[in-house]
Amino acid sequence: EVKLMESGGGLVQPGGSLRLSCIASGLNFNTYGMSWVRQAPGKGLEWISGLSDSGDGTFYSASVKGRFVISRDNSRNTLFLQMNSLRGDDTAIYYCAKDSDPDIRGYFDLWGQGALVIVSS
Amino acid sequence: EFVLTQSPATLSLSPGETATLSCRASQSVGNQLAWYQHKPGQAPRLLIYDTSKRATGIPARFSGSGSGTDFTLTVSSLGPEDVAVYYCLAVSFGGGTKVEMK
Repeated sequence: EVKLMESGGGLVQPGGSLRLSCIASGLNFNTYGMSWVRQAPGKGLEWISGLSDSGDGTFYSASVKGRFVISRDNSRNTLFLQMNSLRGDDTAIYYCAKDSDPDIRGYFDLWGQGALVIVSS
Repeated sequence: EFVLTQSPATLSLSPGETATLSCRASQSVGNQLAWYQHKPGQAPRLLIYDTSKRATGIPARFSGSGSGTDFTLTVSSLGPEDVAVYYCLAVSFGGGTKVEMK
């Protein structure tokens, strides 16, 4: 079965850090761009970060640039999102998404089920 | 700053009708635009990429058109299963159009 599974979500205090992981199965992980998309409560979708197949190309939205770091370990079929200096407005469901291309194109044809991150004291 | 503006915010239609959703970009994106369907409690689903190409398994009722800065998603023969929020994406997501059934 082709799927993505996120883990690492939870409750964290403002200013804290959290690392999300996304494990891919049933696909040639190292041939696709990967991204993180989030949805805050009552809000729309937000594309926050992307990484090309080899890791050479990266994308960060203005809202997370300088605080979040995306990375991947192709040997373990895993995508990561290191989230630092977390704020209340980072509270959201975080989705891992596979691009249909080696580059970061925003054509996400496979999604994980989402990981909930709550930033609160 | 690049912005995608979707209209209308909400569309309320009867079964069998056609939904026409608009997405306008603040600057040209060529044909590099995708459409997604998002239902509550589910992951989003890719419907259309490259403006007009249907993703795998997407029925022909869904069609996309446009170029440059103005794009349209058309959903014909609307059914209860089409109730969702629809987003366009190019660099960033639009604000979404909620499709409801009368």
